[in-house]
This record gives sequence, C-alpha cells and structure tokens, in this order.
Amino acid sequence: GESVGLHLPTLSVQEGDNSIINCAYSNSASDYFIWYKQESGKGPQFIIDIRSNMDKRQGQRVTVLLNKTVKHLSLQIAATQPGDSAVYFCAENPLVTTDSWGKLQFGAGTQVVVTP
Amino acid sequence: EAQVTQNPRYLITVTGKKLTVTCSQNMNHEYMSWYRQDPGLGLRQIYYSMNVEVTDKGDVPEGYKVSRKEKRNFPLILESPSPNQTSLYFCASSPSPRTYTGELFFGEGSRLTVL
Repeated sequence: GESVGLHLPTLSVQEGDNSIINCAYSNSASDYFIWYKQESGKGPQFIIDIRSNMDKRQGQRVTVLLNKTVKHLSLQIAATQPGDSAVYFCAENPLVTTDSWGKLQFGAGTQVVVTP
Repeated sequence: EAQVTQNPRYLITVTGKKLTVTCSQNMNHEYMSWYRQDPGLGLRQIYYSMNVEVTDKGDVPEGYKVSRKEKRNFPLILESPSPNQTSLYFCASSPSPRTYTGELFFGEGSRLTVL
C-alpha cells in the first residue's frame, strides 16, 4: 500500500481500549469540521462531521467533540478494533463566504496503530 | 457502484513530459477537487470545481491545470512536470456546494513519480 504516514504522530492503542485523537484547527471562523480515516493504499473516507453550533456529536462507536474556545477538535473511538488502524485526518471548512465553500483544509493526520 | 475513478494509479515519468491524470465520478456530484498528499503535510488542495466550467485555485495550484467540461470528469494536467510534483494525488467529489458540508468521496489515489 501507499506510505503516507512517515512523519506523522502515532497513537498506539490496545485492542478494546478507547482511542482519543486530537486536532487543533486554525480558523476561528470555520463552520464545519470533519474527520476522515485513511487506510493504507486507499483514499480518505468520511467518518463524522460536526457544525460549529454543536459541542458534541455521536456516531457508531465514534464521538466528535468540539471546543471552539481553544480551537480544538477530538475524535473518540470506543472499543478500538484492528480495523481502526489507519491515519486519521481532521478537516475544517470555513463556510464564511461563498468563495470559501470549496476550500476544505486538512490537518497533517495521526497514525493510529491498534495492538492485540 | 458509486465511485470516483482515477487513472493512472501509478506513473513514473520524466521532467517536462506532459501528463494528464483523469478523474471520473458516477454520482452526479457538482463539486470536484484535486489534492496532493505528501508525508507530514496532509492533504493540500490543488484546484477545485463548483460545477461545469467553474474552477478555482486551491492552496498549491502552481504547475497544474484543470478543466471541467463535463460534470463527471475533472482531469488534472501537468504541462511540464518537475520532481517536486512527485506525490500521491487524490481526486474527490461532493454533492451540490449549496448544501456542502464537507463529506468528500475520494478516489483510490494516483502515485506520480517525476524523475
């Protein structure tokens, strides 16, 4: 598969434990925040999103928390499984003006390694 | 099957030899975008298109061209590739930008090496 995580921070998690992946975003005016998962050799896949008027959103085994005061986003994965091993990216979408609709900004990513 | 298809998946070329990476989506999406992915830098946007005949620069457009003559296709053109364009490229699409939230559908990626 493609190697895209050579210089990424790595989170090592034991199977069954909960994972917390953190992300600091840059634009205080950003309106949407998204988490993507990228498995080796594949394109990123959407996991969950949250709008700036929310603090928390839950999906299946995942929860996203948004702290606008400190511009911080986190993704929590419950009962981490081997299939959760991947690179996780946060992204922000500054829906401030029509011109910025298309400019989704991605973070550098975090490599999650699930150990048995 | 709903998908974004990129070709070629792998390409090794030489400096200055024009190349095109094709991207096609079958989901009738209005929005399409190209990204490059380099170690430690995440995904950086090259160009995006809100609809047919509407394209705009992303963060790293230098050395690239795009066109959007049809809704389903969004080719990336490197007129004169250079070694610093060696990268992993992703095409992505999304439904109407009027309801755009950020969920992008990505292709499998195209690994380009410029010697």
